[in-house]
Amino acid sequence: QKEVEQNSGPLSVPEGAIASLNCTYSDRGSQSFFWYRQYSGKSPELIMFIYSNGDKEDGRFTAQLNKASQYVSLLIRDSQPSDSATYLCAVNTANQAGTALIFGKGTTLSVSS
Amino acid sequence: EPEVTQTPSHQVTQMGQEVILRCVPISNHLYFYWYRQILGQKVEFLVSFYNNEISEKSEIFDDQFSVERPDGSNFTLKIRSTKLEDSAMYFCASSEGRGSEKLFFGSGTQLSVL
Repeated sequence: QKEVEQNSGPLSVPEGAIASLNCTYSDRGSQSFFWYRQYSGKSPELIMFIYSNGDKEDGRFTAQLNKASQYVSLLIRDSQPSDSATYLCAVNTANQAGTALIFGKGTTLSVSS
Repeated sequence: EPEVTQTPSHQVTQMGQEVILRCVPISNHLYFYWYRQILGQKVEFLVSFYNNEISEKSEIFDDQFSVERPDGSNFTLKIRSTKLEDSAMYFCASSEGRGSEKLFFGSGTQLSVL
């Protein structure tokens, strides 16, 4: 059974701080890794993807991947109240279109002003 | 910006009834998907579809479920005989293909089975 695990939170940070969200996955053959943001009652929105070990930066977001440790993280710099949402980690074992994404349950982030 | 559209946004049905959920994927996307999310739980994969065929399906996608692309724009999910446990938010998604799985989700259909 392929699993993606996340701490459910809530993770509470003050405005302007760095939020660190973590995810582990069970299938060592996983190839591609995604972070989605989901506001309450809304659909998941893709914010980052990473395929190779190391860091990938996009604006205030940095995704980090360590395949040896089967660990993915998302850092949000200068957190804003509008970043308050549930962040879903998702993993694909094939990096191939048409195959299933396995989602974690998500970590709820609360950014206080 | 192109988006995936889903109708209806809410669907209430009686147990045992058939429902059809509709989706219009992004126009240049080649792969289409259905996912569902039961309240408070994970987003779960149901099925993927490419070139008028199912590419992959999960254990959830049993004989009660079917998908169809009836024309050049719509993509549908049919549940033949709904059960109480089918109550969930159903998300349609699409991707370009080309070797990556960047999915773009529609806003979802909230299905309530009574």
